[in-house]
Amino acid sequence: DAKTTQPPSMDCAEGRAANLPCNHSTISGNEYVYWYRQIHSQGPQYIIHGLKNNETNEMASLIITEDRKSSTLILPHATLRDTAVYYCIVRTSYNNNDMRFGAGTRLTVKP
Amino acid sequence: DGGITQSPKYLFRKEGQNVTLSCEQNLNHDAMYWYRQDPGQGLRLIYYSQIVNDFQKGDIAEGYSVSREKKESFPLTVTSAQKNPTAFYLCASSIDYTENTEAFFGQGTRLTVV
Repeated sequence: DAKTTQPPSMDCAEGRAANLPCNHSTISGNEYVYWYRQIHSQGPQYIIHGLKNNETNEMASLIITEDRKSSTLILPHATLRDTAVYYCIVRTSYNNNDMRFGAGTRLTVKP
Repeated sequence: DGGITQSPKYLFRKEGQNVTLSCEQNLNHDAMYWYRQDPGQGLRLIYYSQIVNDFQKGDIAEGYSVSREKKESFPLTVTSAQKNPTAFYLCASSIDYTENTEAFFGQGTRLTVV
C-alpha cells in the first residue's frame, strides 16, 4: 500500500501562501490523495482530496504531479488560525480502503 | 445539526476496569472508524466498520473491542487487556468505504487511566 512522506515542520508568514509537500511515490492508479488538518486537541478536519487533476475548494488547492508521485497542498493566504498539523493520506484500495495517518507536517503561521 | 458525536470529552478510569467510549453519527454514513492518538503522534487505526453488523481490525486492535449493531453507533470498549490505554480516541465516519469519500471526525475522547 502507498505510504506518504511529509516534512515534520514548516513555518509560514501570515498572509503568504503556505505550500505543504507530500511524497507518495508508490501510489497506484486508483488511489486518491487526501489532506486533513488537526488543530491541537481537536478531531482532524477534512480539507481536500484528488485523484489526478488539480483540485480547489474554499479552503485550499491540491496540486498533484503528472506522475502522481507527489502533491502539494496550497493555503493561498495563511492566517494564524491555519496553524495545525497537516496530514497527507493515500486512500488505498489494497487494505480495504482504511485511512492510515502518518506523523504529518506541523505548520506554524507567524505574524 | 448533522454530525458525529463522541462522548464524554474527558474520561477517567481506574486501572483494570473496562470502559466504553461512545460514537454516534446522524449523517447516514455506512462506514465508521476508531483511531487512537498519543501525544505528538499521528493517528493509528484501531477498528473500522464498512457497514452495520460488520467490523474489521485495524493496526492496533489488541485490547479493544467494538460492535456495530446500529448504523449510527460504533462504540469502542477499552478492556483491561490494553496495556497503555491512556490516549486521545477519535471516531470518524464516511458515506461509504470507497476511495473517493472523505471522512468526518468527532472531537475526540481523552481517556486517562490511573
